[in-house]
Amino acid sequence: NAGVTQTPKFRVLKTGQSMTLLCAQDMNHEYMYWYRQDPGMGLRLIHYSVGEGTTAKGEVPDGYNVSRLKKQNFLLGLESAAPSQTSVYFCASSDFRTTRNYNEQFFGPGTRLTVL
Amino acid sequence: AQTVTQSQPEMSVQEAETVTLSCTYDTSESNYYLFWYKQPPSRQMILVIRQEAYKQQNATENRFSVNFQKAAKSFSLKISDSQLGDTAMYFCAPRGPGNQFYFGTGTSLTVIP
Repeated sequence: NAGVTQTPKFRVLKTGQSMTLLCAQDMNHEYMYWYRQDPGMGLRLIHYSVGEGTTAKGEVPDGYNVSRLKKQNFLLGLESAAPSQTSVYFCASSDFRTTRNYNEQFFGPGTRLTVL
Repeated sequence: AQTVTQSQPEMSVQEAETVTLSCTYDTSESNYYLFWYKQPPSRQMILVIRQEAYKQQNATENRFSVNFQKAAKSFSLKISDSQLGDTAMYFCAPRGPGNQFYFGTGTSLTVIP
């Protein structure tokens, strides 16, 4: 049981390049999330998904797109990277149905992205 | 969106001593959950403790406990017998509608040997 995994762990892009971050979870969770973490800002929600085929905007969605084609995967895309998108990106998942774990969020290890 | 305030950006504590991290939040929900997460230098987010808002009893997990004041919308974390491994960033996170979590800006805790 790997939990939540993220690919890649590190990436350096040039301004204007595109890339996709992959998040995978093997806990059969309905909900998945993408956050960015910047110094002094805590975690801010970019996009989230409440189930396969559905996505919604979070607090800071501009410049990002997401897709949830399979329940276990949640992709975050940057179409034209900007230096302001330099950050650490975290994926998380949670199950809304069970009360056993209070629907806590389980986090991946993070991806450090640098845009030059 | 809910607002979460962690007013102590940095704190330090001597090993084996007790420290309390503060958190206040704003919500219009009547029933909700609150969480404290820990982020050590490894960057991995780790759940520390959770509290159901409708329960009056404060949650405890070994050396970690909370002081939950629902009317005041306060959710502080107490760490007893601090250990070097407790050195980390701590985030308060109420859970709101749509199972969204709202994270504070964090408190950086250093345990001094």
